[in-house]
Amino acid sequence: DVKVTQSSRYLVKRTGEKVFLECVQDMDHENMFWYRQDPGLGLRLIYFSYDVKMKEKGDIPEGYSVSREKKERFSLILESASTNQTSMYLCASSLTVESPLHFGNGTRLTVT
Amino acid sequence: QQQVKQSPQSLIVQKGGISIINCAYENTAFDYFPWYQQFPGKGPALLIAIRPDVSEKKEGRFTISFNKSAKQFSLHIMDSQPGDSATYFCAASTRDNQGGKLIFGQGTELSVKP
Repeated sequence: DVKVTQSSRYLVKRTGEKVFLECVQDMDHENMFWYRQDPGLGLRLIYFSYDVKMKEKGDIPEGYSVSREKKERFSLILESASTNQTSMYLCASSLTVESPLHFGNGTRLTVT
Repeated sequence: QQQVKQSPQSLIVQKGGISIINCAYENTAFDYFPWYQQFPGKGPALLIAIRPDVSEKKEGRFTISFNKSAKQFSLHIMDSQPGDSATYFCAASTRDNQGGKLIFGQGTELSVKP
């Protein structure tokens, strides 16, 4: 079974802090994604990566950056956290373009 | 700009009834339409998917109906059970996009009453 592990289930940070959300997958998948989930808005793509050290902007990249130094690990970085970044963050991976996404269980981030 | 629009936002169905969730899209380049199911505290998981070369796909009690001309697709859950209570997301993507990124709808919270 594919396992996508997000390092924190809940996280509380202060406005202006630099925040790191970590995601690790154990199936040697090429593609990794970061989505945020908000009620009434569904899942919106922040960034994705289809290869090590490669990254592509999704639909809402503003205020975020990512790092993929190793194939199995994809980190989401909030450079200076703001209250409007309070959300559920979901990491996902997939083997190929036509493979299903495998999601982690999410990190609920609260910025105060 | 929401490229995939999903309705209703919430749905209550009696046990044994039919649950219907609808999605509409604008981008005619979309050629892959999956549905994901999410239980509380868990990430979404692929439920069923369809490509536009067929008008219907059935897996057990779950059926996707696809109308290419109307740019709409829907999920039907027959004989709905309390265990089907979850949030459902439709999604779409193009075959040639890098990484297989999905555009998701807004989600439908389904509650099946016993």
